[in-house]
Amino acid sequence: DAGITQSPRHKVTETGTPVTLRCHQTENHRYMYWYRQDPGHGLRLIHYSYGVKDTDKGEVSDGYSVSRSKTEDFLLTLESATSSQTSVYFCASIAPAGTGVYEQYFGPGTRLTVT
Amino acid sequence: AQKITQTQPGMFVQEKEAVTLDCTYDTSDPSYGLFWYKQPSSGEMIFLIYQGSYDQQNATEGRYSLNFQKARKSANLVISASQLGDSAMYFCAMNGNQFYFGTGTSLTVIP
Repeated sequence: DAGITQSPRHKVTETGTPVTLRCHQTENHRYMYWYRQDPGHGLRLIHYSYGVKDTDKGEVSDGYSVSRSKTEDFLLTLESATSSQTSVYFCASIAPAGTGVYEQYFGPGTRLTVT
Repeated sequence: AQKITQTQPGMFVQEKEAVTLDCTYDTSDPSYGLFWYKQPSSGEMIFLIYQGSYDQQNATEGRYSLNFQKARKSANLVISASQLGDSAMYFCAMNGNQFYFGTGTSLTVIP
């Protein structure tokens, strides 16, 4: 267990409001990821980070921004929440588990509902 | 573009039997990794197994093995001796420059 926590675990917010989700890991992993999971789509990458202050866009980055000021924290912000952003959000980090072997650890997920 | 395809939305297997979950991928990167995850009804994502594109041998982790056929671009998950607790969604994923997930296969183990 890589010790990844997410907060909040559940949130209901109104359309147009900003929302920030927090991911915290205690394993000093360099790479961190934010995904959303929707029925019929599996998990889709929103943004990822490959180090402090180093981030890049994923497949579905529109309407989202991220920040990583410390190795252990990766924040996802919905700048102005829309109903299409109602989803379950997962944070993950990746770590080497041996020569050429990697494992990806996930947080427990945040269920966000935008009304 | 990179893409993961899981063509089996749902699968059934008898307890104690083996089952293969299909995964094909598409990438132009020479170096990539392939992952399988389990998501039970409780919602958490559980890492199962990893295969690197340069690995000569198929990865194995307990009852899980990955049937990696590079020329066919397939990375099927084989679960041996299925247990009731194996009932879950299973996702195949690939990392190259980014992480891509398939849409998942729902596995039901029948007693």
